[in-house]
Amino acid sequence: DGGITQSPKYLFRKEGQNVTLSCEQNLNHDAMYWYRQDPGQGLRLIYYSQIVNDFQKGDIAEGYSVSREKKESFPLTVTSAQKNPTAFYLCASRGWAESSYEQYFGPGTRLTVT
Amino acid sequence: GIQVEQSPPDLILQEGANSTLRCNFSDSVNNLQWFHQNPWGQLINLFYIPSGTKQNGRLSATTVATERYSLLYISSSQTTDSGVYFCAVERSNNNNDMRFGAGTRLTVKP
Repeated sequence: DGGITQSPKYLFRKEGQNVTLSCEQNLNHDAMYWYRQDPGQGLRLIYYSQIVNDFQKGDIAEGYSVSREKKESFPLTVTSAQKNPTAFYLCASRGWAESSYEQYFGPGTRLTVT
Repeated sequence: GIQVEQSPPDLILQEGANSTLRCNFSDSVNNLQWFHQNPWGQLINLFYIPSGTKQNGRLSATTVATERYSLLYISSSQTTDSGVYFCAVERSNNNNDMRFGAGTRLTVKP
């Protein structure tokens, strides 16, 4: 099936540890995104990538890093420099479907840091 | 960056009622999408609608790009319509930068 997978669904870490969230897509989309969602809030853009080996910062990139070595994969690392890492992280990709250029989302990863 | 404002922030309806959700944006846009976030956090695509009107069953959407707003209509609401509805836009510089509004939380009571 075509789609976007994120793993794991739930992730628990101790404060001070870096953690990497996985995002894979088999939709052949060029653009990929990472958003953060806090309880009761909207989605805030962390990073996005328009093409392999290229990415841009969103509004809240501090404390996060990404790589885009393959078209299918866009992992996000939450570093120990991120002050409040506990959140719901959503990955998306974007591409053409008939006449629309749409964004599609994965199921998300809930990260808890204690 | 572009500002995206959604209203109302919260909406409570009785099953069977109709509703209109609004999305205002501060700059000209290339693309606009409406999403529904279900209770498990999954975002479901509803409409890709940078301009014009579309309908899909009980849902329809209209975007008036020149006046910088979009409307999502839900008719004969059902309890399964509950959740958060988001509007997302891309500015007209066409750089794939998609930004979200804060959402409208809809609760449909039986």
